[in-house]
Amino acid sequence: EPEVTQTPSHQVTQMGQEVILRCVPISNHLYFYWYRQILGQKVEFLVSFYNNEISEKSEIFDDQFSVERPDGSNFTLKIRSTKLEDSAMYFCASSDPPPTGELFFGEGSRLTVL
Amino acid sequence: AQKITQTQPGMFVQEKEAVTLDCTYDTSDPSYGLFWYKQPSSGEMIFLIYQGSYDQQNATEGRYSLNFQKARKSANLVISASQLGDSAMYFCAIAYSGAGSYQLTFGKGTKLSVIP
Repeated sequence: EPEVTQTPSHQVTQMGQEVILRCVPISNHLYFYWYRQILGQKVEFLVSFYNNEISEKSEIFDDQFSVERPDGSNFTLKIRSTKLEDSAMYFCASSDPPPTGELFFGEGSRLTVL
Repeated sequence: AQKITQTQPGMFVQEKEAVTLDCTYDTSDPSYGLFWYKQPSSGEMIFLIYQGSYDQQNATEGRYSLNFQKARKSANLVISASQLGDSAMYFCAIAYSGAGSYQLTFGKGTKLSVIP
């Protein structure tokens, strides 16, 4: 069964450092996403990406964040100058266009900022 | 704006019994989709089931079914024949399906514990 894969599974970084989280979406999907989940809280939408550009983003997704599809398979989330409150599980997801209803998440990348 | 309410922080069910996890939603969009995900203690988000707002029949996927009552704005998940492996957090989510992508709004989740 096709799946979304994410690396690393866990990253520890010092406050102020830059972090890149990587994702390989399901190959025939066209929409890619990043969501995050702070420990014990609900999952929050960050950004969606289609046709090599951001299609939607939330208030959380400010200038500290950026996304990129550097090649035909990878989709990355870059977090610049990390803060303690960036510590969370970051989920990549991919889907076909609505209303097919299949949006699949990766296993998540846990980011810990010290 | 869209909103999901899951009123049951925790639920217990006996193994092999059925259980219903509640989800109510609020949206002004005429076209939307409702999703359920399972999050085990290992942390991954596992897609379970989807219901489109214009779907005439309730969605089913194996032991999972969605009791969709549009007028009541509820989308409860029913798990039949519970198994120990069903113990997890369950999240309901909604997205406007008229846009080009799924911007999901999640509820706070329900923690299901299956008792042997």
